[in-house]
Amino acid sequence: DIQMTQSPSTLSASVGDRVTITCRASQSISSWLAWYQQRPGKAPKVLISKASTLQSGVPSRFSGSGSGTEFTLTISSLQPDDFATYYCQQYNSYPITFGQGTRLEI
Amino acid sequence: EVQLLESGGGLAQPGGSLRLSCAASGFTFSKYAMYWVRQAPGKGLEWVSDISGSADSTYYADSVKGRFTISRDNSKNTLFLQMNSLRDEDTAIYYCAKAAYCTSTSCSNWFDPWGQGTLVTVSS
Repeated sequence: DIQMTQSPSTLSASVGDRVTITCRASQSISSWLAWYQQRPGKAPKVLISKASTLQSGVPSRFSGSGSGTEFTLTISSLQPDDFATYYCQQYNSYPITFGQGTRLEI
Repeated sequence: EVQLLESGGGLAQPGGSLRLSCAASGFTFSKYAMYWVRQAPGKGLEWVSDISGSADSTYYADSVKGRFTISRDNSKNTLFLQMNSLRDEDTAIYYCAKAAYCTSTSCSNWFDPWGQGTLVTVSS
């Protein structure tokens, strides 16, 4: 199984900050990585697929990069709505696996 | 608009059974793989199972293999998860999700959108 490890687990930041979340895969997954945002009490929502493809309707302050085993999600200027938990997910091979999540808090 | 609406969650005893349903609308259901993903209280996301659009391929996490069965009724645009031999550790919100992108031959295994989830509690 491919293990996905996110860092940090918790990130404290302020509105307007630039933040970066890292996701590492235990083996190469090429660019088969998605990022999701989950607000409290809500279902996850996809932000980025194929490591760097921003999904329709997602603000341009979100960006993704990386390939192989190391990936990043960057939010260029935090907005109040962005305080949530973020998950990476690999879809290179079964079983499909998620990172443990990064909670972004004020 | 794509909509996914789960139902069937509730309280079950250890060793018991539940059947979850996910009613889909707003897209050609039979053309898309569908997924179940769960989230234990206060924990992260765990892929559970998925099924191809034609139902000829199914996959399961090791944690549920042999106990859970995924199926679909394309005439009724509905996805199912039959959960047997339930354990305490199956307690979670269960989300159904749609494959975000499919060609004529395969789907990429990332999810968009997700349903609102249904809570399954396994407890005596």
